[in-house]
Amino acid sequence: TAGITQAPTSQILAAGRSMTLRCTQDMRHNAMYWYRQDLGLGLRLIHYSNTAGTTGKGEVPDGYSVSRANTDDFPLTLASAVPSQTSVYFCASSDDEGVPYYGYTFGSGTRLTVV
Amino acid sequence: DQQVKQNSPSLSVQEGRISILNCDYTNSMFDYFLWYKKYPAEGPTFLISISSIKDKNEDGRFTVFLNKSAKHLSLHIVPSQPGDSAVYYCAAMDSNYQLIWGAGTKLIIKP
Repeated sequence: TAGITQAPTSQILAAGRSMTLRCTQDMRHNAMYWYRQDLGLGLRLIHYSNTAGTTGKGEVPDGYSVSRANTDDFPLTLASAVPSQTSVYFCASSDDEGVPYYGYTFGSGTRLTVV
Repeated sequence: DQQVKQNSPSLSVQEGRISILNCDYTNSMFDYFLWYKKYPAEGPTFLISISSIKDKNEDGRFTVFLNKSAKHLSLHIVPSQPGDSAVYYCAAMDSNYQLIWGAGTKLIIKP
């Protein structure tokens, strides 16, 4: 089925280690997004990409980096993890003209615990 | 400053009754408003949207009302069912197709 695949589903990571969260979509959407979800804070945008080859910073970009080498993939990297990065991470994608009618399509999330 | 606010962290409703979830916004330039539903351990899923030029949009048991003068929208679920228990997010779309999210309201449907 078409959609967004995130990997891994969950991970426990030692503080100071690096990690890449993977995100792949097969809908040929131009835009992709990374969010973190924390209790009481809703969804906060980390980074986004409007099209392959471009990226932008969201509300909470510090400690994270992204790349968009092609349309389908949008990995999120934590260079040196800290406990405050413990969260559930959601990747999403959208086709600009479809946003008003279908919104963004989300993956199932990656639950990351930094210890 | 939060541009989209959902002031009720949670709401409890009896099965079969109406659920009303509220959302307020500050930017009168938003073009569209969307509601999402999220179950635990799943990603949010799109529920319904409304254009800023309309005041009502209906889809089955779900109706969204928009009051532009009050910068307020609400989602009505009638009748409420146990499967409606979830976190509901309100979002507003800006001119760059980016969504600005509220903090969510947890809806609990009591049997």
